[in-house]
Amino acid sequence: AQTVTQSQPEMSVQEAETVTLSCTYDTSESDYYLFWYKQPPSRQMILVIRQEAYKQQNATENRFSVNFQKAAKSFSLKISDSQLGDAAMYFCASPPMNTGFQKLVFGTGTRLLVSP
Amino acid sequence: DGGITQSPKYLFRKEGQNVTLSCEQNLNHDAMYWYRQDPGQGLRLIYYSQIVNDFQKGDIAEGYSVSREKKESFPLTVTSAQKNPTAFYLCASMYGTLGNQPQHFGDGTRLSIL
Repeated sequence: AQTVTQSQPEMSVQEAETVTLSCTYDTSESDYYLFWYKQPPSRQMILVIRQEAYKQQNATENRFSVNFQKAAKSFSLKISDSQLGDAAMYFCASPPMNTGFQKLVFGTGTRLLVSP
Repeated sequence: DGGITQSPKYLFRKEGQNVTLSCEQNLNHDAMYWYRQDPGQGLRLIYYSQIVNDFQKGDIAEGYSVSREKKESFPLTVTSAQKNPTAFYLCASMYGTLGNQPQHFGDGTRLSIL
């Protein structure tokens, strides 16, 4: 079964600094998708960024970018110029191909604290 | 604006009681999902549905039931068989059924035991 692992329960960063959140996954598939979601205190899950495994180029959305290393099965999220509004839980997720990509498997999350 | 509406925001259940959580979407999405979130854990899939009148069990379906009579609605019933229902429940929907699209989430329902 596909697994997604986030080994950092909590990370801290100061405003305007850069922080990287780690995610590793285990799959035997060659093509798959990876997502980062943000869950602020309001508890709504918000898509941050998406990466398709067959694309070599790392996805970027404004201050958010990923470092996708397919061979190492690593999908880390880099947040540049951190803002107080970035404080949230961040979840890495991927849908297993053996379910037709129907089910999202989530990591346990990383809580990001942002200090002024 | 299009989106997903979950209600109620807070729900209390008495022992032996069934309760139903509502999830409605006006995004015209095909697939809908129910997740459970416990403290310190990620989201775990309860049930999902790709088309009307069809749904599949997720990883923790025991003690829950769903229906999909309309494309826009996917209610979740927490039955008395679910012995530990206290959790935060999130409903999601997705365009298409291929899984390469992101899921869109509602604001959630917090269920507690009286």
